[in-house]
Amino acid sequence: GQSLEQPSEVTAVEGAIVQINCTYQTSGFYGLSWYQQHDGGAPTFLSYNALDGLEETGRFSSFLSRSDSYGYLLLQELQMKDSASYFCAVSSRGNSGYSTLTFGKGTMLLVSP
Amino acid sequence: ETGVTQTPRHLVMGMTNKKSLKCEQHLGHNAMYWYKQSAKKPLELMFVYNFKEQTENNSVPSRFSPECPNSSHLFLHLHTLQPEDSALYLCASSQEPSTDTQYFGPGTRLTVL
Repeated sequence: GQSLEQPSEVTAVEGAIVQINCTYQTSGFYGLSWYQQHDGGAPTFLSYNALDGLEETGRFSSFLSRSDSYGYLLLQELQMKDSASYFCAVSSRGNSGYSTLTFGKGTMLLVSP
Repeated sequence: ETGVTQTPRHLVMGMTNKKSLKCEQHLGHNAMYWYKQSAKKPLELMFVYNFKEQTENNSVPSRFSPECPNSSHLFLHLHTLQPEDSALYLCASSQEPSTDTQYFGPGTRLTVL
C-alpha cells in the first residue's frame, strides 16, 4: 500500500519562507503532487513533480527526490491568504492499471501578521 | 471558480434514509472520482470512473453506490448509512485517469444522525 507523512501544522509570519516536507512509501510511483485547500473550500492543484529537482511556479516551488522518496513544497513571501491546508499526494499505479492519487493527511499552514 | 459543481452542499440524513449526491463537471474531462474527507484523516479515494466505466472501487461498503450515466455526471447513492459515514464527500475530474491534475468540486458536507 501507500503511505505519506507530512507535518500536521506549520506556523509562519507574513513575508517569510516556509517549507512543508512530505515523505512517502509506495509502489509503482509516478509522481508527487501538491494541493491547497482553504477551510470550507475545494482542494486546488498547485504542482506536480515526476522527475527529481525543483519546479517553480511564482511564489510556490516543489521539489522531488525519487531516490529518497521525499519531496517538499516551498512557499515564499508568505501572505495571509496562504493560510490553508496543504496536501501532498502520490500518483501510483492503481488496480485498473491507471494512475490514482493517494493523499497525505495535510499540513495546516497558519500565517500571522 | 470551479468547473466542478456538487449538490447539495449540505445534507443531514437519518440512518434509514436514502439520498443521492450529484456531481457535474463542465471541463470536458473523461475521468471522475469520489473522495471521502473525514476530520484528521487524509482524502480517501472511493471510486474512479473512466468514460462512464468504473475502474476503481477502493473497498467501499455497498451502502455507497456510484452511478455515472455520462462523462459529465456522477452520482453517489446513499442508503442505510452509519454515523461514521459523516464526512465531506468530494467529487473530482481529470482529463483522463492517468492525468495527475484533478479538479475538485466544493464537496457535500454529510451528517448522518
